[in-house]
Amino acid sequence: EDQVTQSPEALRLQEGESSSLNCSYTVSGLRGLFWYRQDPGKGPEFLFTLYSAGEEKEKERLKATLTKKESFLHITAPKPEDSATYLCAENSGGSNYKLTFGKGTLLTVNP
Amino acid sequence: DTGVSQNPRHKITKRGQNVTFRCDPISEHNRLYWYRQTLGQGPEFLTYFQNEAQLEKSRLLSDRFSAERPKGSFSTLEIQRTEQGDSAMYLCASSEQGDYGYTFGSGTRLTVV
Repeated sequence: EDQVTQSPEALRLQEGESSSLNCSYTVSGLRGLFWYRQDPGKGPEFLFTLYSAGEEKEKERLKATLTKKESFLHITAPKPEDSATYLCAENSGGSNYKLTFGKGTLLTVNP
Repeated sequence: DTGVSQNPRHKITKRGQNVTFRCDPISEHNRLYWYRQTLGQGPEFLTYFQNEAQLEKSRLLSDRFSAERPKGSFSTLEIQRTEQGDSAMYLCASSEQGDYGYTFGSGTRLTVV
């Protein structure tokens, strides 16, 4: 059964303190690794899709990277508005793009 | 188009009652998904439509759950004889092509008392 494991469960940072979130996946033959941001009471918001080991994508203070076994979401000089739950998911459904999500990492950035 | 719209935003119902939720996807998106999310967990896949065809259902989906997407436009998710374990956020998402990621709605929060 496909599994996605995220760590840490929660992370507190000071504004400007860079860090990384981890996502480990187990499916063989990865068909897409997705990162989403979720604010309280809202649906997840799409951030990135990665397909190949070595691939990197950036958006503002966020950079996602992918290896053969895990993905990292690097947050550079975070601001309080980056506080949210970050979800990682893998495509376990082939062409149906059914996603298996991890439990998420709750990020809090203090001013 | 203002994104994926879900109604109602909140629903409180008594155990044993039936409930129906509605999702209006982005108009040009032919793929529509339903997920369920409980506190502290990531979303769990329930079912997938391509246009009006329901192509996949999760084994988590009991016979009390049914979903439709008539004419490939809006979708409804009905839960019959609700149980307390059905309390969750029900999320709808749509996409044009899967590799661009889903656009999620804000969800319907169901509380069964």
